[in-house]
Amino acid sequence: QLQLQESGSGLVKPSQTLSLTCTVSGGSIASGGYSWSWIRQAPGKGLEWIGYIYSGGSTYYNPSLKSRVTISIDKSKNQFSLKLTSVTAADTAVFYCAAQTLGSGYYSYFDYWGQGTLVTVSS
Amino acid sequence: DIQMTQSPSSLSASVGDRVTITCRASQSINTYLNWYQQKPGKAPKLLIYGASRIQNGVPSRFSGSGSETDFTLTINSLQPEDFATYYCQQSYTTPRTFGQGTKLEIK
Repeated sequence: QLQLQESGSGLVKPSQTLSLTCTVSGGSIASGGYSWSWIRQAPGKGLEWIGYIYSGGSTYYNPSLKSRVTISIDKSKNQFSLKLTSVTAADTAVFYCAAQTLGSGYYSYFDYWGQGTLVTVSS
Repeated sequence: DIQMTQSPSSLSASVGDRVTITCRASQSINTYLNWYQQKPGKAPKLLIYGASRIQNGVPSRFSGSGSETDFTLTINSLQPEDFATYYCQQSYTTPRTFGQGTKLEIK
C-alpha cells in the first residue's frame, strides 16, 4: 500500500519558484507500474493536472504550465519533486502528489494521493 | 485538450435516494474515464476506473457506465458519508483533464 507525503514551502513570493517534494513509502518509486504526478486545486475550484514523471525519467506536462514546470525524480530517496517558476497569486492552491497506476487494458488512474499541501503566493 | 463537462454542478438529495451524475467528453475517449469522490479538506478518492470498473473497497452502491463521450456515475441508496464532491477524469490522453465537479448536498 503506497503512501505519499508532500513537503515544501507553504508561502512563496510572487515571481519566485515554488518547490515541493513528495516522499513515497510502502513501495519503490523505481518499480514499474506507476507514474508519479502532481495535481493542484485552487481554493474552491476543481482539479488541475500539472504533470507526471515515469521512473525512467520521462516527463509529461500540462501545456498550460509547461514553460514553468519541472518534475524530477530521486530514486535514492524514493522522492519526486515539483518546481514551478515565476509564480503569481493565481498559482495559490493545494498541491497534491499522486501515483497513477498503469493498469491492465491501458487503463490508468490516480489511486494513491498525498494529503495535499497548501501553497500561498503572496508578498 | 479534451474538455470534460459534468452535470449538474450541484444537486440536493436525501439519504436513501438514487442519484446520477453525468460526464461528457469533448471527443471520444473510449472507456478511459475515472470517477473520484472528494470530501472537504481531503484528497480525492478513486471510485471507478475504466468507466465501469469499481475500485477495491468501494461500496457496491456506486456504479459507472458509458463509453465514447457520455458517462454516468450512479449512487444507489445514498448514505450520509456519500455527500461530497464528485469528479470525472479522462485518462485517454495527456493532458489529463477533470470535470468541474458535482457537489452532492443533503436535502
